[in-house]
Amino acid sequence: GNSVTQMEGPVTLSEEAFLTINCTYTATGYPSLFWYVQYPGEGLQLLLKATKADDKGSNKGFEATYRKETTSFHLEKGSVQVSDSAVYFCALSDLSTNAGKSTFGDGTTLTVKP
Amino acid sequence: GAGVSQSPSNKVTEKGKDVELRCDPISGHTALYWYRQRLGQGLEFLIYFQGNSAPDKSGLPSDRFSAERTGESVSTLTIQRTQQEDSAVYLCASSLGWEGYEQYFGPGTRLTVT
Repeated sequence: GNSVTQMEGPVTLSEEAFLTINCTYTATGYPSLFWYVQYPGEGLQLLLKATKADDKGSNKGFEATYRKETTSFHLEKGSVQVSDSAVYFCALSDLSTNAGKSTFGDGTTLTVKP
Repeated sequence: GAGVSQSPSNKVTEKGKDVELRCDPISGHTALYWYRQRLGQGLEFLIYFQGNSAPDKSGLPSDRFSAERTGESVSTLTIQRTQQEDSAVYLCASSLGWEGYEQYFGPGTRLTVT
């Protein structure tokens, strides 16, 4: 079946540091890939997505590139801010086998210190 | 417009009682999802509704769990004879469809079984 493996957390960085959160996936079809973010006390919201190989999703300074050859969708940001502190979830939706059901990773907690 | 709403926001119940959780999706969204999020863990898929198609119930953990949806509107998740391991945040999400669309999440219902 499908699965998503995320870099284990928690991750603690200083402001303006470079961020990478690794995400790899297993899917039998051609999934769409997503990063969701959950800020403290708030619900999950979409951060960015990519629907086919080599697509790059970007939003709020975050980027992730859909790498089919390495089955990865790593999240990066060049300079994190305290306001980026949140839990980040990698997810996939494999339409060919799961007709819309999404598979989520376990989440990575990011804390950015001033 | 209004986002996904869920009620109640918090529910404390005694072991063995039944509970009903409600989700109001965004108007016009044909797909609706229920997830369970245990403390510090990722999202566990429970059930998925898409339009008038038969729901995908493959994630329901036991026959104590059931869900209904009236057309493309409100959904109710029912847990019968609650157990302590049912304690979690139950999240509802909706999307325009299932073909790679992002999911919009509600704030969740925090269920505590004592």
